[in-house]
Amino acid sequence: EAGVTQSPTHLIKTRGQQATLRCSPISGHTSVYWYQQALGLGLQFLLWYDEGEERNRGNFPPRFSGRQFPNYSSELNVNALELEDSALYLCASSVSGLKEAFFGQGTRLTVV
Amino acid sequence: DAKTTQPPSMDCAEGRAANLPCNHSTISGNEYVYWYRQIHSQGPQYIIHGLKNNETNEMASLIITEDRKSSTLILPHATLRDTAVYYCIVIPTSGTYKYIFGTGTRLKVLA
Repeated sequence: EAGVTQSPTHLIKTRGQQATLRCSPISGHTSVYWYQQALGLGLQFLLWYDEGEERNRGNFPPRFSGRQFPNYSSELNVNALELEDSALYLCASSVSGLKEAFFGQGTRLTVV
Repeated sequence: DAKTTQPPSMDCAEGRAANLPCNHSTISGNEYVYWYRQIHSQGPQYIIHGLKNNETNEMASLIITEDRKSSTLILPHATLRDTAVYYCIVIPTSGTYKYIFGTGTRLKVLA
């Protein structure tokens, strides 16, 4: 069974541009979570989607946004990129109502 | 804010048991204890979880104190591949499923 897949694995953008990161959850999982992990730091919760709806949001500015599609895949969009947005962005999925989440390998975003 | 506290780092000899403690003194009756680990720059990997009983699976054992204010993750025979950052988190049984990761314990298994 395929795990959580994220694309691209690496992304380089210029300050001020927009970045789009994609996540495909494990088949049957309806919840998708997004996390940011800056170099040497812990995981910071960004967003949680379930059944196509945004259920919860971390302390990030509005330029961090996303959506979940009918097939439960998800996109994370970061507008007006800043240098501090450089980080590993992790996506996780779970069956709705359960807590065991499975993580993808992440997208490393570098803003130059 | 994370509701757990863990030692920042620990060393363990290869082949010995690694015992990783976690304090969650403000845990509520409806919150699970979950353990994940993150090997360098990879996505976190689920290890085990429990509510109030001790749990064991093929990876590890979880011992939760009777008052549920602390727990210990046990890797019975640590290998070099167990070197990772281990996170202990508490998650409610219902409602928001937002995972709040603390700083974790960096376990180094020594040859």
